[in-house]
Amino acid sequence: AQTVTQSQPEMSVQEAETVTLSCTYDTSESDYYLFWYKQPPSRQMILVIRQEAYKQQNATENRFSVNFQKAAKSFSLKISDSQLGDAAMYFCAYRRGGNQFYFGTGTSLTVIP
Amino acid sequence: DGGITQSPKYLFRKEGQNVTLSCEQNLNHDAMYWYRQDPGQGLRLIYYSQIVNDFQKGDIAEGYSVSREKKESFPLTVTSAQKNPTAFYLCASSIAHASNQPQHFGDGTRLSIL
Repeated sequence: AQTVTQSQPEMSVQEAETVTLSCTYDTSESDYYLFWYKQPPSRQMILVIRQEAYKQQNATENRFSVNFQKAAKSFSLKISDSQLGDAAMYFCAYRRGGNQFYFGTGTSLTVIP
Repeated sequence: DGGITQSPKYLFRKEGQNVTLSCEQNLNHDAMYWYRQDPGQGLRLIYYSQIVNDFQKGDIAEGYSVSREKKESFPLTVTSAQKNPTAFYLCASSIAHASNQPQHFGDGTRLSIL
């Protein structure tokens, strides 16, 4: 069975600082995809970044980047230059060859002005 | 613009009543999903459908039913058998059999008990 674990229920960061959110997953597959979603207070789920497991290069989208460690089954999200609008719940998700996605329980990020 | 529309935004259910949550997408996606979100529990899969007229149970299907008569529509019925239906419900869709594609989500429906 595939499981996704986010061990940090809550995190906080000072505005303009950097924060890293952790995600680990359990799988026996070699080819799969990982995603980070952001859910602001509006409750809309927004895709932040994605990573293909066969790519060694870490994905980057502007201030958001990942640290993908395939052997350790770790997929952390780094947010640089944190902004007030980054405050949200962040969910890590896993998808392999089928159509089912597996989500972690989320990390609530607070940005302190 | 393409997207997913969930309605209503807020819904109230009386004891013993069935209610139906609507989900419509115009993204031409084959796969559609229903999730339930409770505080501290992330997203739990209720049902998903990979193609019209076919759907599979997720982790918490008891007390819920779905239909997929059209590609664009995947309504969820919360039956009276679901004893604790108060939650936030999210509908999603994705391109089927394309693992690098993410899910796209609607804005959700909040269901409460009267």
